[in-house]
Amino acid sequence: GDSVTQMEGPVTLSEEACLTINCTYTATGYPSLFWYVQYPGEGLQLLLKATKADDKGSNKGFEATYRKETTSFHLEKGSVQVSDSAVYFCALASSGGYQKVTFGTGTKLQVIP
Amino acid sequence: EAGVVQSPRYKIIEKKQPVAFWCNPISGHNTLYWYRQNLGQGPELLIRYENEEAVDDSQLPKDRFSAERLKGVDSTLKIQPAELGDSAVYLCASSPEASGRSMYNEQFFGPGTRLTVL
Repeated sequence: GDSVTQMEGPVTLSEEACLTINCTYTATGYPSLFWYVQYPGEGLQLLLKATKADDKGSNKGFEATYRKETTSFHLEKGSVQVSDSAVYFCALASSGGYQKVTFGTGTKLQVIP
Repeated sequence: EAGVVQSPRYKIIEKKQPVAFWCNPISGHNTLYWYRQNLGQGPELLIRYENEEAVDDSQLPKDRFSAERLKGVDSTLKIQPAELGDSAVYLCASSPEASGRSMYNEQFFGPGTRLTVL
């Protein structure tokens, strides 16, 4: 079945440092890929998405590129802020018909001033 | 626009007791989801509704879990009796489109109900 593997946290960075959170997936066909973010005490929010190979999703300074050859969708940001501290979930939606979403285990990011 | 509303936010019960969670989706959203999120894990789908019909309940432990979505709006998820292993965050989400569409339809999540079973 479909699965998502993302790097374990927590990840602790200083403000303005570069961020990369690795995500790889296993799926049949051509899934859509997502990053969700969960701020403390809040529900998950869609951060960005990519629906086909080589697409780049971007939002709030975050980027991720759909790499079919490496089955990866790594999340990157050039300069993190304290307000980026949250848990980040990589997810995929299976292709065809109803697109059931499979989530990774989440990576906690803590940004210190 | 109001988001997905869930209540209660926290619930502590003893094992073998019943518990219920309530969800009010975003107005106009046809599809409603219940997820369970164990500590340190991602959300796992329990049940999905299209309007008032449960179209995917394959992951719902039917011996103790039940759900309903009367009139295709609010939904209630019940556990009876609760077990220690049911301690988790129960998330409700909604999306604006019905199933069978070719494009992914973004799911909007509520803040969740954190259940602790003692």
